[in-house]
Amino acid sequence: GENVEQHPSTLSVQEGDSAVIKCTYSDSASNYFPWYKQELGKGPQLIIDIRSNVGEKKDQRIAVTLNKTAKHFSLHITETQPEDSAVYFCAANTNAGKSTFGDGTTLTVKP
Amino acid sequence: DGGITQSPKYLFRKEGQNVTLSCEQNLNHDAMYWYRQDPGQGLRLIYYSQIVNDFQKGDIAEGYSVSREKKESFPLTVTSAQKNPTAFYLCASSNGQVYGPQHFGDGTRLSIL
Repeated sequence: GENVEQHPSTLSVQEGDSAVIKCTYSDSASNYFPWYKQELGKGPQLIIDIRSNVGEKKDQRIAVTLNKTAKHFSLHITETQPEDSAVYFCAANTNAGKSTFGDGTTLTVKP
Repeated sequence: DGGITQSPKYLFRKEGQNVTLSCEQNLNHDAMYWYRQDPGQGLRLIYYSQIVNDFQKGDIAEGYSVSREKKESFPLTVTSAQKNPTAFYLCASSNGQVYGPQHFGDGTRLSIL
């Protein structure tokens, strides 16, 4: 089955700096890669996603890049703010709607 | 507003007792999922259902049971056979399509008395 590895497990940055979270996947049939943000005591919420036929997607301060050959995809957050502090999960979809999740990255943005 | 509602938010179980966690969605989604989340860990799939009256085991189904009698509802029962049930349980739904993200509820935290 699919296996998704996510790094780093914790990340601390100063407000205004950039943050990068990286994921690798094992199944070349994976074709959809969502990213979720989970705040304390809440369920994860989708923040951005990318399909396998696209190399990069951007939404304001958030961007995702995908390298299908290397089976890597990354989340980039620019101009970080304290409210960006949360746990971030990457995921890879193969079968319709079923996701395999990474283990999460705890991002702390220091004021 | 459309979304997923999980209840209760906190639940306590006595030894040897079965408990049922509720999950309701009004997004008209075909697929629904149950995950377990332990502190500092990712999401592990317990059960999923892609259509009414059908469901499949996920990676950690032992000690759990589900039903999918209605499109809107996907309750999870934590049985007494689950020896370590203390965790945060998340329910999600999706349109079941290849490019469909999952929409999550806000979870139920289960503890053992």
